[in-house]
Amino acid sequence: GAVVSQHPSWVICKSGTSVKIECRSLDFQATTMFWYRQFPKQSLMLMATSNEGSKATYEQGVEKDKFLINHASLTLSTLTVTSAHPEDSSFYICSAGGDRGQETQYFGPGTRLLVL
Amino acid sequence: QKEVEQDPGPLSVPEGAIVSLNCTYSNSAFQYFMWYRQYSRKGPELLMYTYSSGNKEDGRFTAQVDKSSKYISLFIRDSQPSDSATYLCAMNTGGFKTIFGAGTRLFVKA
Repeated sequence: GAVVSQHPSWVICKSGTSVKIECRSLDFQATTMFWYRQFPKQSLMLMATSNEGSKATYEQGVEKDKFLINHASLTLSTLTVTSAHPEDSSFYICSAGGDRGQETQYFGPGTRLLVL
Repeated sequence: QKEVEQDPGPLSVPEGAIVSLNCTYSNSAFQYFMWYRQYSRKGPELLMYTYSSGNKEDGRFTAQVDKSSKYISLFIRDSQPSDSATYLCAMNTGGFKTIFGAGTRLFVKA
C-alpha cells in the first residue's frame, strides 16, 4: 500500500514553455500532498504544501506564480512550472500523507526536469 | 543552527559490516522520527518509522531514538551492496511539517 506515482518521470523543454507534473496517490486518499525540489547531492527542499480543495501554502522564497499547484481531488495534485528557465532544471518530488496518519509521507519516484 | 543535523558522508563500508547512521536535532517537540532511503534519481522510500523514544527493529534495520539526547540512529546489520544509497532522517511534531536531514551517502563495497 501507500503508492505514489508521478508523471512524467523526466521532461526536456525549451526555455519559456510551461511544464505540468502530476502526482497521484494510487491506493489511498491524500488530503495533503507536498512538493519538493532536490538538487544533486542535496537534501529535499519543501516548495509547497497542497491541500485538496484549497490553495497551496508556499514556503518562503518560492514564487507561487511560477510554480502553480492544483490539488483537484484526494488522489491528484499537479505542479506546473510556468515559463520555465534553465535555473528551474531540477528533480521535483511529490509526497502524500501516509495511511499511518499525518506524520509519515510517501514519496513519488520524482520528475527530472531539464530546461534548455 | 539547523533543526536537524546529519553528516552527509560519504560513508564507505565493506559488505557485511554494521552501519551506523545518525542525526541530531534541536527541537524537543519532535515526536515522530523517520528514516528514508533514496537511491540515485529516485524518490525517497520510507524505511523506518518510530514514535517517541525507544528502539524499533525490522529485519536488518534497527532505529533508535534517544529524546533526552536529541539523537536518533539507524543501524544496518550485514550490510549489502544493495544498501548503497542516501539515507535521510526526518522528524516532525505530529503535524505534516516534516524536517529532513541532509542525507548520508552510504557505499557498501562487495
